[in-house]
Amino acid sequence: KAGVTQTPRYLIKTRGQQVTLSCSPISGHRSVSWYQQTPGQGLQFLFEYFSETQRNKGNFPGRFSGRQFSNSRSEMNVSTLELGDSALYLCASSSDTGTGYTEAFFGQGTRLTVV
Amino acid sequence: AQSVAQPEDQVNVAEGNPLTVKCTYSVSGNPYLFWYVQYPNRGLQFLLKYITGDNLVKGSYGFEAEFNKSQTSFHLKKPSALVSDSALYFCAVRANTDKLIFGTGTRLQVFP
Repeated sequence: KAGVTQTPRYLIKTRGQQVTLSCSPISGHRSVSWYQQTPGQGLQFLFEYFSETQRNKGNFPGRFSGRQFSNSRSEMNVSTLELGDSALYLCASSSDTGTGYTEAFFGQGTRLTVV
Repeated sequence: AQSVAQPEDQVNVAEGNPLTVKCTYSVSGNPYLFWYVQYPNRGLQFLLKYITGDNLVKGSYGFEAEFNKSQTSFHLKKPSALVSDSALYFCAVRANTDKLIFGTGTRLQVFP
């Protein structure tokens, strides 16, 4: 069974640009979450989608947005990039049936560098 | 609001010795607790979880964790550490369908 796939693995963007990251969950998983990992802030929750609906949201500015498609694939978008957005962005999927206690499986991440 | 604390930034242990990585949590209601491990330039790998039942949970690679409700702790343990266990370990908590929150991580260094 294929794992969580994130594309691209590495990305370099310029300040002010926008970027879209993609996540394909494990087949059959309906929950997809996104996290930002930086050395200073650790793992910060961005948002979670469940069956195409945003179920939870972290404390990030509106420049960070996401969506989930009917096949459970998810994308996150960051507009007007800032240097501080440089981070490893991790996607996780779970087979959550709405109860919240199934474990999440992570992709390898997208390393975004903003210059 | 739910939160997780990992009080040690780094834990050093000699190979063959037992190891403990500490985690305490705060959550309203019944907690769902998880441990993950991260190797350099990789995503997080699931180790084990506590949902309900036996307080001692066994997971991958010989790791186990003990749930203590009165102390709101969920410490990760292994009877005999390996050099290959050296990595970054994260504790996480979730209440019902709320977001999964991670601790700041503990770097485990196992010396030969």
